[in-house]
Amino acid sequence: NAGVTQTPKFRVLKTGQSMTLLCAQDMNHEYMYWYRQDPGMGLRLIHYSVGEGTTAKGEVPDGYNVSRLKKQNFLLGLESAAPSQTSVYFCASSPQGDYSNQPQHFGDGTRLSIL
Amino acid sequence: AQSVAQPEDQVNVAEGNPLTVKCTYSVSGNPYLFWYVQYPNRGLQFLLKYITGDNLVKGSYGFEAEFNKSQTSFHLKKPSALVSDSALYFCAVTLGTNYKLIFGSGTRLLVRP
Repeated sequence: NAGVTQTPKFRVLKTGQSMTLLCAQDMNHEYMYWYRQDPGMGLRLIHYSVGEGTTAKGEVPDGYNVSRLKKQNFLLGLESAAPSQTSVYFCASSPQGDYSNQPQHFGDGTRLSIL
Repeated sequence: AQSVAQPEDQVNVAEGNPLTVKCTYSVSGNPYLFWYVQYPNRGLQFLLKYITGDNLVKGSYGFEAEFNKSQTSFHLKKPSALVSDSALYFCAVTLGTNYKLIFGSGTRLLVRP
């Protein structure tokens, strides 16, 4: 039972480069989320999706884009990486229903460094 | 706006002693409250939640939390700490009207043998 899988686990980029982070879940969850975790700041929501083909902005969406072409996958893109985007990125998913009381399931994170 | 405060960056406790990790929240409605735990190089794991009903909720690994509406608090507790409880703990809140979890800044729990 894989749960939420994030690819890659580590990456180093140069300023201005682009990349895509992949999140895959095998629990048939409707909702998916991308967060970034920075020291002393907890987790901040970047973008989220409430179903296949839908996305919405979270708390800190600038500099990121997302796509949810398939229900099980949620992609996070950095078009032109900046040092301020150095962080640990977490993907999460949760089931449908009374969404507010369903716990989110997290992947193990992608550690991204921008030089 | 919703917010969550975890006033302690770190909590130190001896193994076998009770532990408390504090959380206070600010929302303009009835909150749904969560505690998550994060072990090194891992994602967050759900511990427990308060939605409605009994103010004392029990969760995984012997943890419990008490919802106090008048003090807008949701402190995490455990009667007897284990060294293996050492981790980073996050409190989170959401309202019943949206999908967004707001996380506190986290509290590092260190249980010494």
